[in-house]
Amino acid sequence: AQSVTQLGSHVSVSEGALVLLRCNYSSSVPPYLFWYVQYPNQGLQLLLKYTTGATLVKGINGFEAEFKKSETSFHLTKPSAHMSDAAEYFCAVSSMNTGFQKLVFGTGTRLLVSP
Amino acid sequence: EAGVTQFPSHSVIEKGQTVTLRCDPISGHDNLYWYRRVMGKEIKFLLHFVKESKQDESGMPNNRFLAERTGGTYSTLKVQPAELEDSGVYFCASSQDLSEQYFGPGTRLTVT
Repeated sequence: AQSVTQLGSHVSVSEGALVLLRCNYSSSVPPYLFWYVQYPNQGLQLLLKYTTGATLVKGINGFEAEFKKSETSFHLTKPSAHMSDAAEYFCAVSSMNTGFQKLVFGTGTRLLVSP
Repeated sequence: EAGVTQFPSHSVIEKGQTVTLRCDPISGHDNLYWYRRVMGKEIKFLLHFVKESKQDESGMPNNRFLAERTGGTYSTLKVQPAELEDSGVYFCASSQDLSEQYFGPGTRLTVT
């Protein structure tokens, strides 16, 4: 069975500081990996995804993530936090075991950005 | 292009009552999914439709939950009778292919 672990239910950073949100996954087959963001009163929005190919993927709003198979990790980073980045972030995995249709999510990390 | 819409945005019902949630996917998306997030926990898969057929309903909690997708367009998720543990946010998503699911804003269900 697949699973996702997001370390830290809350992460606080100052505006301009590095953002690092951690995600580790468990999958017996090659995974597809996703980061979604949820702003207040909105649906989940895809930030970026890894399917195959280049392991460093760039997403919207300056975010990027690197797939590290040896570490079973897919951490999300952004060099400089902005106030508008305050939201809840979800890491998710899918695989061919479920036809890549079923997303398995982590518990989410709420990013707080202070001035 | 309109996104995934869900109705209602909030619903408060008493234990034992019935509630029906509706999801309208992005036009042309054959795949429709339901997920649920219980407070403080992960978002969990409930089921997946391809057009009007249930492809995977392995995440449905029990037979108090009934999902339908009429004519392969909108979908409804009925909970009957509702229990306290059914409270949470119900998300709907749709997709055209395997690489991205587009999510709606969710319906917050509170069972008292």
